[in-house]
Amino acid sequence: AQSVSQHNHHVILSEAASLELGCNYSYGGTVNLFWYVQYPGQHLQLLLKYFSGDPLVKGIKGFEAEFIKSKFSFNLRKPSVQWSDTAEYFCAVRNSGGGADGLTFGKGTHLIIQP
Amino acid sequence: DGGITQSPKYLFRKEGQNVTLSCEQNLNHDAMYWYRQDPGQGLRLIYYSQIVNDFQKGDIAEGYSVSREKKESFPLTVTSAQKNPTAFYLCASSMGLVYEQFFGPGTRLTVL
Repeated sequence: AQSVSQHNHHVILSEAASLELGCNYSYGGTVNLFWYVQYPGQHLQLLLKYFSGDPLVKGIKGFEAEFIKSKFSFNLRKPSVQWSDTAEYFCAVRNSGGGADGLTFGKGTHLIIQP
Repeated sequence: DGGITQSPKYLFRKEGQNVTLSCEQNLNHDAMYWYRQDPGQGLRLIYYSQIVNDFQKGDIAEGYSVSREKKESFPLTVTSAQKNPTAFYLCASSMGLVYEQFFGPGTRLTVL
């Protein structure tokens, strides 16, 4: 079964610092990859997604992620974080080859940005 | 305004009682999903449905049941067989299985 690892459960940064959140998945084959964000008191919402094509994908609010197939990774990056980026971030994977067709989520990274 | 609604936001039940969580979407999506979120655990798939009158078990279906009689609605029943039902429950929908999922606001269930 697919599993997703997010390396950091809690990250604390100062405003303007650069951000990289790690995400690795276990099962190869064709995958769809997602990063979701949950701001305090708000719905889970999509930051960005990768289905095919250019492995560097850009999302909302200046976020980007790079799919590296050989490393089974899909790390999330932002060059300069803002206080409003404080939230919980989830990496998710869907195996497009079959099986249960929901998403497999990582355990999440709680990001706190200090002003 | 298109979206997914879940009701109620907070729900309290006594141990041994079944409880049904509501999920409605007006996005005209074919697929719907139920996830459970526990602190430090991420989201785990309970059930999903690709079309009306069809649904499949996810990773943690034991102690739960669903129905999909209408395209817009996918209620989840937490039965007394679920050993640890206190959790945050999220409903999602998508145009189809290969598309991104949109999430509702969630229902926090506490079993006393």
